[in-house]
Amino acid sequence: KQEVTQIPAALSVPEGENLVLNCSFTDSAIYNLQWFRQDPGKGLTSLLLIQSSQREQTSGRLNASLDKSSGRSTLYIAASQPGDSATYLCAVKRVDSSYKLIFGSGTRLLVRP
Amino acid sequence: EPEVTQTPSHQVTQMGQEVILRCVPISNHLYFYWYRQILGQKVEFLVSFYNNEISEKSEIFDDQFSVERPDGSNFTLKIRSTKLEDSAMYFCASRDWTDNYGYTFGSGTRLTVV
Repeated sequence: KQEVTQIPAALSVPEGENLVLNCSFTDSAIYNLQWFRQDPGKGLTSLLLIQSSQREQTSGRLNASLDKSSGRSTLYIAASQPGDSATYLCAVKRVDSSYKLIFGSGTRLLVRP
Repeated sequence: EPEVTQTPSHQVTQMGQEVILRCVPISNHLYFYWYRQILGQKVEFLVSFYNNEISEKSEIFDDQFSVERPDGSNFTLKIRSTKLEDSAMYFCASRDWTDNYGYTFGSGTRLTVV
């Protein structure tokens, strides 16, 4: 059974700092991995999608990497801003016939001005 | 940018009542999903829907739940007799046939059962 874990659960950093959020999964047989942002009481905004054949994806100040063999993904945020404050979720999709995403519990990020 | 639209944003209902949560997926998407998030917990899968039938459902998705795509654009989740523990944020999601762009989620419906 696929389990997805995110560490740390919460993170508080001063503005301008570079930071790394971690996501680990127990079954390396994944189809892809997707990072989302969730603002309090709001929906999920897709940030980056990494296919299983890819090692990383970049969008602006965000860079996500994937190491399937070790069951890990990281989300790197460069030059953090207060507007980056949110919960960041990772989710994996398995290679079998399952259609579902399996989510981690998220990292709650606070960027202090 | 195309969006998944969910209505209502917040619904309060009495225990035992039926509720219908509505979603308009992205127009050229073929796969549709409902997920839920109980306050403070993980986002969890409920059901997937493709080609007018359920593809997969979780243990949560019991006989009290049903989904429908009544008119080719809307995608609904019905809870027949709500319980207190159904209180959660319900998210609709869709994706295209390639899965090259991942899932697009709606902004959610917060369901409160009292």
